[in-house]
Amino acid sequence: KAGVTQTPRYLIKTRGQQVTLSCSPISGHRSVSWYQQTPGQGLQFLFEYFSETQRNKGNFPGRFSGRQFSNSRSEMNVSTLELGDSALYLCASSLGGARGTETQYFGPGTRLLVL
Amino acid sequence: QKEVEQNSGPLSVPEGAIASLNCTYSDRGSQSFFWYRQYSGKSPELIMSIYSNGDKEDGRFTAQLNKASQYVSLLIRDSQPSDSATYLCAGGTGYALNFGKGTSLLVTP
Repeated sequence: KAGVTQTPRYLIKTRGQQVTLSCSPISGHRSVSWYQQTPGQGLQFLFEYFSETQRNKGNFPGRFSGRQFSNSRSEMNVSTLELGDSALYLCASSLGGARGTETQYFGPGTRLLVL
Repeated sequence: QKEVEQNSGPLSVPEGAIASLNCTYSDRGSQSFFWYRQYSGKSPELIMSIYSNGDKEDGRFTAQLNKASQYVSLLIRDSQPSDSATYLCAGGTGYALNFGKGTSLLVTP
């Protein structure tokens, strides 16, 4: 079974621009979570989508948004990029059961550099 | 603030020894706990999951959970140089996992 895929793998943007990242979950998985990883803050939860609805949200500003499509693929968007948005953005997929205890499997990540 | 705390290390152990990694968490409502391994430049990969108090063994790995003490640990037996990586502890409720900043493990030949 194919794993989680993320595109693009690398991205360079300038301050003020916006960016869209894409994530395709493991086949059959309906939950997609997004995380930001930086050396200083570690892995931080952005949001989680299930059945095209945002089910959980972390403490990030409104510049960070996402959506999920009917095939469970998800996109996240960051508008008005800041230097501090430079990070590895990881998505993770899971079955998405109501108890919320299933394992999340991570994709390879998108490394974003904001200049 | 829902925090997961880990010693950043590096933790250095000789090949063949037992490596012991520890983690504490602040959110008493956390229901599920995970240990992920992350090699430099790569994404996290799952090592173990644990949901109930006690020990869970999988090959060379044993996870331990003590909800009363809000403590999770990972033991790696017969450590190999290929185990050298950063180990991330995560816990939470639902799909919003809180991650520690990771412990760097170095296994020396």
